[in-house]
Amino acid sequence: NAGVTQTPKFQVLKTGQSMTLQCAQDMNHEYMSWYRQDPGMGLRLIHYSVGAGITDQGEVPNGYNVSRSTTEDFPLRLLSAAPSQTSVYFCASSYRPGEGYTFGSGTRLTVV
Amino acid sequence: AQSVAQPEDQVNVAEGNPLTVKCTYSVSGNPYLFWYVQYPNRGLQFLLKYITGDNLVKGSYGFEAEFNKSQTSFHLKKPSALVSDSALYFCAVRDTAGGSYIPTFGRGTSLIVHP
Repeated sequence: NAGVTQTPKFQVLKTGQSMTLQCAQDMNHEYMSWYRQDPGMGLRLIHYSVGAGITDQGEVPNGYNVSRSTTEDFPLRLLSAAPSQTSVYFCASSYRPGEGYTFGSGTRLTVV
Repeated sequence: AQSVAQPEDQVNVAEGNPLTVKCTYSVSGNPYLFWYVQYPNRGLQFLLKYITGDNLVKGSYGFEAEFNKSQTSFHLKKPSALVSDSALYFCAVRDTAGGSYIPTFGRGTSLIVHP
């Protein structure tokens, strides 16, 4: 049982480049979310999904897109990377709202 | 709207002493409350949750939390701290009213346990 798998673990991008952060879970969880973690800011919600085909914006969605074509996968796309997007990104999933989240190990992204 | 506050950026405690990490929340309906722990360069790990029932909730690694509705608090506690408990702790809340499915996290509290 792999849980929540995030790839890559580390990435350096140049300003203006685009990329996709991958997130996959094998627990048949309906709820999936992307957070970014910055020092002193805690976890801020970027986008979330409550099931395949259903996504919505969180607190800080600008510059990011998501899609949920399957229950297992929830990729996060950076459209045109900016230095302000330098952060650690976490994907998380849960079976239902009353359950705790299972988190991935994170992607550390640096935009230069 | 749901919100959560962790009033202390850092908590220092000596090994063997009891520890408390504070969390207060604000919701319109009833809260679902969670505590998570993050060790350096790792993802968050679920510790415990309160949904309903007994106000004292027991979780992993000997941690427990007390739900206090009148004070809108959910403080994390452990009777005897270990050096290995040193980590970043996050409180999270989900409001059962208003159709919110996703919890809001606090800014985190760094727990440092001194030998």
